[in-house]
Amino acid sequence: EAGVAQSPRYKIIEKRQSVAFWCNPISGHATLYWYQQILGQGPKLLIQFQNNGVVDDSQLPKDRFSAERLKGVDSTLKIQPAKLEDSAVYLCASSFQGRVTEAFFGQGTRLTVV
Amino acid sequence: SQKIEQNSEALNIQEGKTATLTCNYTNYSPAYLQWYRQDPGRGPVFLLLIRENEKEKRKERLKVTFDTTLKQSLFHITASQPADSATYLCALSLGALHMRFGAGTRLTVKP
Repeated sequence: EAGVAQSPRYKIIEKRQSVAFWCNPISGHATLYWYQQILGQGPKLLIQFQNNGVVDDSQLPKDRFSAERLKGVDSTLKIQPAKLEDSAVYLCASSFQGRVTEAFFGQGTRLTVV
Repeated sequence: SQKIEQNSEALNIQEGKTATLTCNYTNYSPAYLQWYRQDPGRGPVFLLLIRENEKEKRKERLKVTFDTTLKQSLFHITASQPADSATYLCALSLGALHMRFGAGTRLTVKP
């Protein structure tokens, strides 16, 4: 079974530029999460999708971050404009819908804002 | 505000001993608690899940307890091995929503 795919693996941008990350969850997983993990900290939930719909985006900085999940499969997370404090690893995870079960994580995208 | 605290940033133990990691939470009534392992440069990997009405769960050398009165979970690794060295994260969720993580504890098992 293929795991959660994320790209790119690494990204370096200058502050005030924009950046987008892509995630392809495990086939059949209706729940998709985006987390931000700053070095030395635990993952922070940014947004959770159930199929196409957003069920939790309470910690998403909506003035600069946006996310979409078209057709209930792939998802993109965008930052525009980026700030230095956005430097982190962005993790995508997926799980079965309607069940409290484990989340499967991708390897993440390491973003460096200079 | 809701807080999830893992007892220490780092824990060093000798091979063969039992490692005990703690996860405390405040202003939270989670229905489920999970433990994940994270290696450097990798995403977290699921280990165990325990429900609020369960006291204890075991899987091979791993054991997790969940005390909703104390608002605490303990995670034990028995007969620890150097390969167990990693960061361990606890995560709390309200049903299938809002899975929140603690900061993690970095475990080092010395031979």
